[in-house]
Order: sequence, then C-alpha cells, then structure tokens
Amino acid sequence: KQEVTQIPAALSVPEGENLVLNCSFTDSAIYNLQWFRQDPGKGLTSLLLIQSSQREQTSGRLNASLDKSSGRSTLYIAASQPGDSATYLCAVSPLSGYSTLTFGKGTMLLVSP
Amino acid sequence: EAQVTQNPRYLITVTGKKLTVTCSQNMNHEYMSWYRQDPGLGLRQIYYSMNVEVTDKGDVPEGYKVSRKEKRNFPLILESPSPNQTSLYFCASSREVRNEQFFGPGTRLTVL
Repeated sequence: KQEVTQIPAALSVPEGENLVLNCSFTDSAIYNLQWFRQDPGKGLTSLLLIQSSQREQTSGRLNASLDKSSGRSTLYIAASQPGDSATYLCAVSPLSGYSTLTFGKGTMLLVSP
Repeated sequence: EAQVTQNPRYLITVTGKKLTVTCSQNMNHEYMSWYRQDPGLGLRQIYYSMNVEVTDKGDVPEGYKVSRKEKRNFPLILESPSPNQTSLYFCASSREVRNEQFFGPGTRLTVL
C-alpha cells in the first residue's frame, strides 16, 4: 500500500529565505504528484501537479521536482513571505485503479516577518 | 467561477441523527470523491464516483453512504452518525480520475 511521508512536520523561517519541503512515497508506480496548500480551517488549494514523465513544474516562486525512481519530490519556495504560511500537502495518484490520491500528513510552514 | 461547494460548512449533531452533507461542482467533472481529515491521520478517502450512478469505496467507507444521481452532485450521507465520525470533511472533483483535483471548502462535523 502506498505511503507518503513529509518531512519536516513543521518549519519556521524568517521572511525572505528560500526553503525546501520534502515528500517521499514508497511505491514509484504513480501517475502524477500534486502539491496543495491548506490554510487553517479552509480547503485545499492546488499549487502544482507533476506528471510522472516530468521532472519539474514551476509556478511563480514555487518549483516542484519529481524523482520517481527514488520516490521523492521537493517543493522549493523562493523568497518566502508571511503570506506563504500554511500547511503544504503532497499527494500521489496511482498508476492503476480508480481511487485518487494518497496524501502525506503535511508540513506546517510559518514565515515570520 | 469554477468551484466545488459544500453545505453545511459547520454542523453539530447528536449520535444517531441522520444527516447529509451536500457537494456540488460546476465544472462538468466526471470524477468526485469524499475525504475526511483527522489530526495525525491526514486525509483519507471515504468514497469516490467515476461518473453518474458509479460509486465505490475508498479507504474508510464504514458508516457512510453516497449517491451520484446527477453529474454535478455527490452527497455524503451518515445514516446513524457516531462520535468517531467527528472530523473535517472535504469533497473533491476532477475532470477524470487522475487529473488535477479541486477541493471544496470543507465541512466541520461534530457528533456528540
């Protein structure tokens, strides 16, 4: 059964720092990997989706990479801002079957002014 | 605006009182699913639907029912809620099963 792990569970950085969030998964037979942002008490917002054939995706200050063979993905946030404070979740979609996403438990990010 | 809506957003109820949480999407998506989110356990899938009249169990289906009579709606039914179903519930949809998932704002349910 697929397992997704996110380390660290929490991260606190000063504003302006570049940072990396990590996601690992046990089964490399994935179709894609998605990064989400969740603000307290709110829903999930999709940030980036990487297909299994891709190595990275970029959106503004965010860059996500995928190394399927090693079961790892990273989310790089450049020049962090207090508004980036949220919980970041990664989730993988299986290569076969009809269930959707297996989620990690998230990394809670706090960016201090 | 493309979105997934859920109602109610907050609900406090008592054990055994049947309830329904509605979910609707306006993106003509075929795939819809329900998740629950619990501290320390993360997000787990309850049920999913590939299309109208096609539903199947996710990882934690016990105590829940769903229906998909129309493409846009996917209600979650708790026939006899219990305290262990206290959780934050999310509905999600996507064009097809492995496409980008769009989530609703969540429903916080408390069962006393």
